[in-house]
This record gives sequence, structure tokens and C-alpha cells, in this order.
Amino acid sequence: EPEVTQTPSHQVTQMGQEVILRCVPISNHLYFYWYRQILGQKVEFLVSFYNNEISEKSEIFDDQFSVERPDGSNFTLKIRSTKLEDSAMYFCASKTQGTGNQPQHFGDGTRLSIL
Amino acid sequence: DAKTTQPNSMESNEEEPVHLPCNHSTISGTDYIHWYRQLPSQGPEYVIHGLTSNVNNRMASLAIAEDRKSSTLILHRATLRDAAVYYCILKETSGSRLTFGEGTQLTVNP
Repeated sequence: EPEVTQTPSHQVTQMGQEVILRCVPISNHLYFYWYRQILGQKVEFLVSFYNNEISEKSEIFDDQFSVERPDGSNFTLKIRSTKLEDSAMYFCASKTQGTGNQPQHFGDGTRLSIL
Repeated sequence: DAKTTQPNSMESNEEEPVHLPCNHSTISGTDYIHWYRQLPSQGPEYVIHGLTSNVNNRMASLAIAEDRKSSTLILHRATLRDAAVYYCILKETSGSRLTFGEGTQLTVNP
């Protein structure tokens, strides 16, 4: 069964540094998402992406965050200048269509640790 | 997004059925009811979804009340691998995001 893959599984970065988290969505999917989960807290929506542009973003997704689909397979989340509070699991998800009845398929996440 | 209410935790024995309840009294007519689960150290995993009618798939069944103000996820024979946090989420037809709550932590006893 096709799956969403995320790399790296664990990223350790110094505060203030830039970090890029990578995702390979399922190949025929058109809608892409990033979520995060701070340790012990709820899964939170960050951003959705369709047709090479952001379709929705949360209040968490401020100017230090950006997303890109640089080629036909990768979907990336960049954090420009990391802060301690950016430490979390980051999950990528994808789905085939934009209607509410299609499920999102999640990767197993990247654990981001900011020192 | 309309809010859902789930018990914080539930316990079951292996090979017994599990009924996980969810209340969503403010559901709108176009909201789909989605269930996801999150196993330890993994991303959320889609389980099942429905609109009005009961639904079955290889993982579970979803029973939706006639007034749609509540639903129940049914695992017919729980296994140890079903131990996870189960999330009941209302999904607007047009919206992008999934809004996760605290979910129900299911413990399966051998």
C-alpha cells in the first residue's frame, strides 16, 4: 500500500538555524498538509497546499515558516530561524481530492529537537 | 469546526468488541464524521468516515445516530495492536484542515 514518507526521522538543530523537513506524498495525491504535535499535546494543523500555493494556514504558520513543492515528488516545510518552542513532531499528510469525505494519509513524522 | 466530545480513556480485553463513543451535538448538515487513530510513535492513521449511514470497512464499523449528534466507532475484535489514541473529527466539506482533539486513549489488555 502506498504511503507518505518523511525524512529525516529525527533532526537536531541549534536555535536560530534554518531547518528543512522533507516529505514524499503518495504519488497521485494533489493536496498536501503539514501538522505538528508538541510532546504531550494535540496534533495541530499548520498549512495546506494545492496547485502550488497555500490554500489554508493556521495562526501557528507565521512568517518563519514556508512550504514548497520543488519538484513532482517532494513537499518541504522550512523553518527559517528556529526557536526552542518549535521542538515537536512534524507530520506530513496528503490526499487525492479536496472534498471533505476523502481521508488524509499521514507519514510517521520528523522529530525536530531545537537546542 | 464543530466540537466533539470523547472519553479520555477506555479499556478493553483482547478479542472482545470495543465501542468508542463520540458526541457532536453541534454538527452541521454537511459535516462528515471522521475517525483517525494514532499508535505510539506514529502519525495519525485514517480509520473510517461517514455522513449519515452506518459504514463498515476492514478496520472498523461506524454507527451514526439518526440525529447525527453522536457516533460510535466499533472495533469488532480488539487486538493489542489496536491500543492507540482514537480521534473523532468533524470535517467540513469545503475545509482543508483536520482539527484534532484530545481523543480517547484505548488500552487493550491481553
